[in-house]
Amino acid sequence: EDQVTQSPEALRLQEGESSSLNCSYTVSGLRGLFWYRQDPGKGPEFLFTLYSAGEEKEKERLKATLTKKESFLHITAPKPEDSATYLCAVSIKAAGNKLTFGGGTRVLVKP
Amino acid sequence: DAMVIQNPRYQVTQFGKPVTLSCSQTLNHNVMYWYQQKSSQAPKLLFHYYDKDFNNEADTPDNFQSRRPNTSFCFLDIRSPGLGDAAMYLCATSRNPTGHQETQYFGPGTRLLVL
Repeated sequence: EDQVTQSPEALRLQEGESSSLNCSYTVSGLRGLFWYRQDPGKGPEFLFTLYSAGEEKEKERLKATLTKKESFLHITAPKPEDSATYLCAVSIKAAGNKLTFGGGTRVLVKP
Repeated sequence: DAMVIQNPRYQVTQFGKPVTLSCSQTLNHNVMYWYQQKSSQAPKLLFHYYDKDFNNEADTPDNFQSRRPNTSFCFLDIRSPGLGDAAMYLCATSRNPTGHQETQYFGPGTRLLVL
């Protein structure tokens, strides 16, 4: 069965304390991996798409990387405004355009 | 800015009273999706349109219907809302269903409350 697991479930950081979020996947035929940020009461905001092992993408304090088994979202020197739930999702070759989501990581950055 | 717009942002309905949620997009994307997201859970795909072709997920209840009258608009109809249908409803779009233009862009969501 195709599975996407995110860890940790929750993460408390001090402002400036860098950390990484993990998204591990067990799927048959990964097509793409997506990172979203979701603030309470709002829709997911697109961050990154990764397609190939070894691929990396950056945006401000965020950097996403992809291996054959997992993806990491690195948050460098986070600020309180980086507090959100970060969702990982995958698209699978046999599943059309349906995204399989992980459970998310809730990040709280304290000043 | 090109975007996905959902109206209303909050909707209160009564048990069993039909309700319609709307979504519009200025991205000119071919695919539009409807998701249901309950508290602290991941979004769950209900159905999607690829142009005019409707694709229903196998486990989507018959109580949920959708219409896409044109490229820009898509509606979610809940024929007889139950208490268990209270959730955030998310609309998303993508240029293509698969391949390197498959990234889905979400709207702000409509929070549905069923009394």
